[in-house]
Amino acid sequence: EAQVTQNPRYLITVTGKKLTVTCSQNMNHEYMSWYRQDPGLGLRQIYYSMNVEVTDKGDVPEGYKVSRKEKRNFPLILESPSPNQTSLYFCASGLGQGKGGSQFFGPGTRLTVL
Amino acid sequence: QKEVEQNSGPLSVPEGAIASLNCTYSDRGSQSFFWYRQYSGKSPELIMSIYSNGDKEDGRFTAQLNKASQYVSLLIRDSQPSDSATYLCAVNRGRASKIIFGSGTRLSIRP
Repeated sequence: EAQVTQNPRYLITVTGKKLTVTCSQNMNHEYMSWYRQDPGLGLRQIYYSMNVEVTDKGDVPEGYKVSRKEKRNFPLILESPSPNQTSLYFCASGLGQGKGGSQFFGPGTRLTVL
Repeated sequence: QKEVEQNSGPLSVPEGAIASLNCTYSDRGSQSFFWYRQYSGKSPELIMSIYSNGDKEDGRFTAQLNKASQYVSLLIRDSQPSDSATYLCAVNRGRASKIIFGSGTRLSIRP
């Protein structure tokens, strides 16, 4: 089954404790992206990757890191989480190259930072 | 001004009628346009993409793009209760793959 998986689905943590949210896709997509979704603000892009070893900032990259060592995986790293990073996070993958908006989304990770 | 604007709704439409959802964007260099549907508590799913001016039809859905007016819309014919969801407009800026989403329009189909 073609899918994007994210882990964990739910996470409660404390300020400053490093965490990683994993994302994996099995569709051989070149393009992958991370978003956060907040009430009233909609979906905002954090980082995206056009291919292995190629990453770029979205609109809200501060406080986040990503890496793309393999085509299928695109982990999101919060080195020192803060309460304002409490949000619903989505990973997505797609065809890229101008059709990057055609994306398949993972189920989401609800993060709470205390 | 937000880069991609949508009326937040809720938009209430009777079952069987046409639902019309609108989206405007500010970057004239935008090249690709998408509509996603998001049910409450679920992730967004792509329902339509459109790249050139005019209409594109897929089943009960029609996407309309007018680049001169910087306007993209989604029409849903014969609306069903299962169409009740939030609809997100997304725009791909130029050649880059940075994607901007609108904040979504909540659609409610009343029986």
